[in-house]
Amino acid sequence: GAVVSQHPSRVICKSGTSVKIECRSLDFQATTMFWYRQFPKKSLMLMATSNEGSKATYEQGVEKDKFLINHASLTLSTLTVTSAHPEDSSFYICSASPGNNQPQHFGDGTRLSIL
Amino acid sequence: AQRVTQPEKLLSVFKGAPVELKCNYSYSGSPELFWYVQYSRQRLQLLLRHISRESIKGFTADLNKGETSFHLKKPFAQEEDSAMYYCALSFYNQGGKLIFGQGTELSVKP
Repeated sequence: GAVVSQHPSRVICKSGTSVKIECRSLDFQATTMFWYRQFPKKSLMLMATSNEGSKATYEQGVEKDKFLINHASLTLSTLTVTSAHPEDSSFYICSASPGNNQPQHFGDGTRLSIL
Repeated sequence: AQRVTQPEKLLSVFKGAPVELKCNYSYSGSPELFWYVQYSRQRLQLLLRHISRESIKGFTADLNKGETSFHLKKPFAQEEDSAMYYCALSFYNQGGKLIFGQGTELSVKP
């Protein structure tokens, strides 16, 4: 089945650091990937749509300069949290679909803790 | 505005009891609805999609456009059904992005 891999699974770093999270589709190509943020005991909030070869589409209220998204190939999207602060601490999850009308498959998520 | 609502944060039942997890949506177009499940310490995974009209692990869900609902049901709950359940609305004209409900934690007691 379709597998989405996310790396790293856990990051702990100091305030002001930039952190990069990778999302890979292992056995399929994805022109579109999605990034979500999940707060404790809360739902997944869509942050942005990552488009291969073009700019990401951000949801309302999400700072594009804060959360940089790069989708350089059909199997890799990266989310960089720039100059991270404690309020950026969260669980970040990516998803991808093998094609049109196919369900999204999710990565394991990345727990980001900013000290 | 597009929205998915799951009114119950926690649903606790005994093993063998029927289960219904509620989901209502707000969308002016033709909806594509899903149920995703997240077991403890595991990734989110697809449970059901409405167009498949199938039963997975004994769960079923019927889309009711009149009531704008997509409730998830199982006649006899099992302990291994304990998990977080998320109802989601998909937008295929936007690459298939998903809008999630708040999630319902199902706890099945022995």
